Amino acid sequence: RKEVEQDPGPFNVPEGATVAFNCTYSNSASQSFFWYRQDCRKEPKLLMSVYSSGNEDGRFTAQLNRASQYISLLIRDSKLSDSATYLCVVNWSGDMRFGAGTRLTVKP
Amino acid sequence: GAVVSQHPSRVICKSGTSVKIECRSLDFQATTMFWYRQFPKQSLMLMATSNEGSKATYEQGVEKDKFLINHASLTLSTLTVTSAHPEDSSFYICSARVYPLAGGNTIYFGEGSWLTVV
Repeated sequence: RKEVEQDPGPFNVPEGATVAFNCTYSNSASQSFFWYRQDCRKEPKLLMSVYSSGNEDGRFTAQLNRASQYISLLIRDSKLSDSATYLCVVNWSGDMRFGAGTRLTVKP
Repeated sequence: GAVVSQHPSRVICKSGTSVKIECRSLDFQATTMFWYRQFPKQSLMLMATSNEGSKATYEQGVEKDKFLINHASLTLSTLTVTSAHPEDSSFYICSARVYPLAGGNTIYFGEGSWLTVV
């Protein structure tokens, strides 16, 4: 089993759609969780951290379920500019492990 | 905010030569930096963890004699790809861990370096 697994992509959605990504992790001792966004041929950039109580940042909502060892990212009212690859990142003992990424394309 | 700078952004080298990539933390001290490699349409793969003043910790399957890492100061880590071959052509990215005052930790990435070995 991979350390961090994400939904296989790609996701192709129309503008305005709501899209959700899931990510599961294997190490129950994982301490912190993040979603990163990576545009084509660029470095990943932090989108948001994921907190136990769940957190929201504008159109983006992140949830964490420690019992089931998964995190999710919900994007509402998708914009063309949301097209990117979304990486799930899990930290345990200082090691940051990445999921393979889920590619999102938002179309007009 | 934290900024990590990586140089060069693109490099082309001949097979058999060595190339050095630098990673700098610009406004903070990074005791730990990470080096990743990313092949097209694949995820980031951690190559090694670079600790200031000590030897790097390499992931399984990464040749430490081929990918030399030096972290001589709190703001600079370098990756040298020695005796480069075409299969080493890839996107190399560094990152540095930041410990915010609020607690926890997060990482920030350099802009990445595209290496093409011809």
